[in-house]
Amino acid sequence: AQKITQTQPGMFVQEKEAVTLDCTYDTSDPSYGLFWYKQPSSGEMIFLIYQGSYDQQNATEGRYSLNFQKARKSANLVISASQLGDSAMYFCAMREPLLGGTDKLIFGTGTRLQVFP
Amino acid sequence: KAGVTQTPRYLIKTRGQQVTLSCSPISGHRSVSWYQQTPGQGLQFLFEYFSETQRNKGNFPGRFSGRQFSNSRSEMNVSTLELGDSALYLCASTRGSLAGGETQYFGPGTRLLVL
Repeated sequence: AQKITQTQPGMFVQEKEAVTLDCTYDTSDPSYGLFWYKQPSSGEMIFLIYQGSYDQQNATEGRYSLNFQKARKSANLVISASQLGDSAMYFCAMREPLLGGTDKLIFGTGTRLQVFP
Repeated sequence: KAGVTQTPRYLIKTRGQQVTLSCSPISGHRSVSWYQQTPGQGLQFLFEYFSETQRNKGNFPGRFSGRQFSNSRSEMNVSTLELGDSALYLCASTRGSLAGGETQYFGPGTRLLVL
């Protein structure tokens, strides 16, 4: 079975600094996709960034980048120039195949990021 | 383009009652998935609908059911509510399928409290 592990329950970072949130995964499927979502206290899961297993380059989206190390099975999220509004829970997720040719997302336990002035 | 919308945002029910939650996907998206989020179990997959058909279901009791309409809007129903059903219920939409390399976009969720 596939698995996503986030070992950091909480992280603190000062405003304008960069922070790395860790994510490791386990799968035997050669084709997979990894996602990062942000969940503020309001509850909505906001899509941040996606990395496909066959993508040659690390994904980037504005201040978010994904440090994808396939051999180590890690997909760490890097947030540059942190802002107070980045304070939230961050979830790493992976596609898991289901019967019938569809997939679902499986999630890690999340990392709570606190940005302080 | 409007995002995924869910109604109601908050709901309080008592044990034994039933509840219906609604989700409208992003325009043009035909797949709707539902997830339950609790502090103890985290995020768990409930079911997925595509073109009015349930394609897959997670490991939840039969009290949890859903449906999808021809306009892709989806509802989920929980009958005979239990205290443990208190959770944030998240709906997510995809144009076609995650398996095709697409992304799931989530709504704001419905917070259900069962007393």
